[in-house]
Amino acid sequence: EVQLVQSGAEVKKPGESLRISCKGSGYTFSNFYVAWVRQMPGKGLEWMGTIYPGDSDTIYSPSFQGQVAISADKSVSAAFLMWSSLKASDTAMYYCARLDSGDYWGQGTLVTVSS
Amino acid sequence: AIQMTQSPSSLSASVGDRVTITCRASQGIKNDLGWYQQKPGKAPKLLIYGASSLQSGVPSRFSGSGSGTDFTLTISSLQPEDFATYYCLQNYNYPRTFGQGTKVEIK
Repeated sequence: EVQLVQSGAEVKKPGESLRISCKGSGYTFSNFYVAWVRQMPGKGLEWMGTIYPGDSDTIYSPSFQGQVAISADKSVSAAFLMWSSLKASDTAMYYCARLDSGDYWGQGTLVTVSS
Repeated sequence: AIQMTQSPSSLSASVGDRVTITCRASQGIKNDLGWYQQKPGKAPKLLIYGASSLQSGVPSRFSGSGSGTDFTLTISSLQPEDFATYYCLQNYNYPRTFGQGTKVEIK
């Protein structure tokens, strides 16, 4: 069974760094793109970017380029979403998902940024 | 980036009603469009892919149509479990882009 399991909720202060994870199982992790999707409180879905774990090819939405970093470690079947300096406006639910072949989503990671 | 304009942003309907949601792309995307359903506190779920193909396990009351720039999601007879928010997503090129969402509420 294909599963994407995300790391737990985070509460951080503005200016702090953060890395959240998405661990895949039940399939060959290297062979499928993993995307990240943001959902701010009460708002719609926003596609942030995607990574191909096999060669770390990464594509960002222009809206998120330079604001976050996406990486992957195929040795542990995990993708990551990273911030170097969080803002209050980064408060959101973040989903990882395999969108381009099948429909598999993580359970979401709630990131709260507040002083 | 391709813009996906979804309408309406919300609608009220009764159980048994026929519901139609539209999505318009800012440029042609062939049939590279999916429709998702999201319920509160849950991850989205794919209903339709390739503009008109029903995802496995999805009830046949859901259907999709369109190609190029104009697409439609139809629920033929709205059921209580269908009250949710619906999104289109273009997968024609990068960056992928979602529509703004349509919230389907109980009348």
